[in-house]
Order: sequence, then structure tokens, then C-alpha cells
Amino acid sequence: ILNVEQSPQSLHVQEGDSTNFTCSFPSSNFYALHWYRWETAKSPEALFVMTLNGDEKKKGRISATLNTKEGYSYLYIKGSQPEDSATYLCAFLTGANSKLTFGKGITLSVRP
Amino acid sequence: AAGVIQSPRHLIKEKRETATLKCYPIPRHDTVYWYQQGPGQDPQFLISFYEKMQSDKGSIPDRFSAQQFSDYHSELNMSSLELGDSALYFCASSLVLAGSTDTQYFGPGTRLTVL
Repeated sequence: ILNVEQSPQSLHVQEGDSTNFTCSFPSSNFYALHWYRWETAKSPEALFVMTLNGDEKKKGRISATLNTKEGYSYLYIKGSQPEDSATYLCAFLTGANSKLTFGKGITLSVRP
Repeated sequence: AAGVIQSPRHLIKEKRETATLKCYPIPRHDTVYWYQQGPGQDPQFLISFYEKMQSDKGSIPDRFSAQQFSDYHSELNMSSLELGDSALYFCASSLVLAGSTDTQYFGPGTRLTVL
């Protein structure tokens, strides 16, 4: 059974604060790690696919890093905005067309 | 751009009834995945199909079956529904190339309520 852990479970921040989340995953049988952003009443939206140890990816104010040797990924949001409020899910893959094993998600709430 | 389509979006059934959920993947995507998300839980993988063949199977009850058709759409059939089957059912699709890590694109989900 694969265990993907995310922390913290929820986060409440003020607009303009920067935040970061952690996703921990098994370091063996690693193929890729996905980050998804999931707003209420919408479907999960892909943010990043990360495959190589040391990968860093950026999309606007959101960036992510990957450490496959120790089995973790960080997601950073710089200068959080209310529209960043969502649940952020990480998901782990063991192969090219394998299923995603999701973490429980981190719910971010950004106060104006 | 075309997205993953799921129908119906909402479904209410009685216990012991059957339900069929449909998923239409993004055009040219060859792989479909089904996930179930119970209240307050993370999504759990049910089953996947690649080129119309079952490629992986997760925690799918025997009461559930699924298939992928020649046009790549997929249907999840659920029989003898139980209260615990009430959940959000997501379908995702991807294009799997050898050695690739293509993103799975999710549909809006079907919310099934079993009364």
C-alpha cells in the first residue's frame, strides 16, 4: 500500500502571505509526482508533473520542488491571493500509465 | 479546448438499484481512469483502461464493473447499490506514450447519492 502524506491538513493565511506545503511519498518505485489544484465544485486542475530529482517547476506565483531520494515535494505559493483558496493535492505514480495515489490534500484559505 | 465529460453530473438512487456513469475522454486520449471520493476522503483509484483493455485495478467492489468502448468512452456500472457507495466519482483521461508521464485530466465528476 502506497502512502502519500500531505501536511499541513489545512492552512489559513492572510492575503500577501507566502505559504508552502509538503508532500511525502515512497522513495522506491518512483516514476512521477503530480500536483493538482482543486477548487470546490470543479474538477482537479493539473499544476505540475515532476519526474527528476531536483526538479523545480514554476507557474506564476506557484512553484514546486522535488526530492526523490528522500521522498518529498514542496509546493510554494508566493504572495497568496484569495483566488488561491483551494485544496492542493499531490499524487504519486509508479509507472507510465499507472494510477495516481493521492494524498489527502491541503486546504488553503486566503483571507482578503 | 475539449475537456473530459462525465454524465450525469448528479445521480440519486435507492439502495439495491443500479447506476451507470459515463465518461468521455479528451479526444485522442487513450487511457481512462476512474476514482471514487467519499465524503471527507482522498480520491481512491477504482480501475483504468488503456486502448480499451483493463490496465489496472484498484479497490473496486465486485458489484462494480467497467469497460472502455471503441470510441474510447468508458462506463462504470454499479449494481446492488449500498449507502456507502454515495460519493463523487471522477473520471480522468490521459495520452500514454512510452516513457511519458502525461498528466491525467479530470472530468467534473458525478455525484452519486444512494438513499
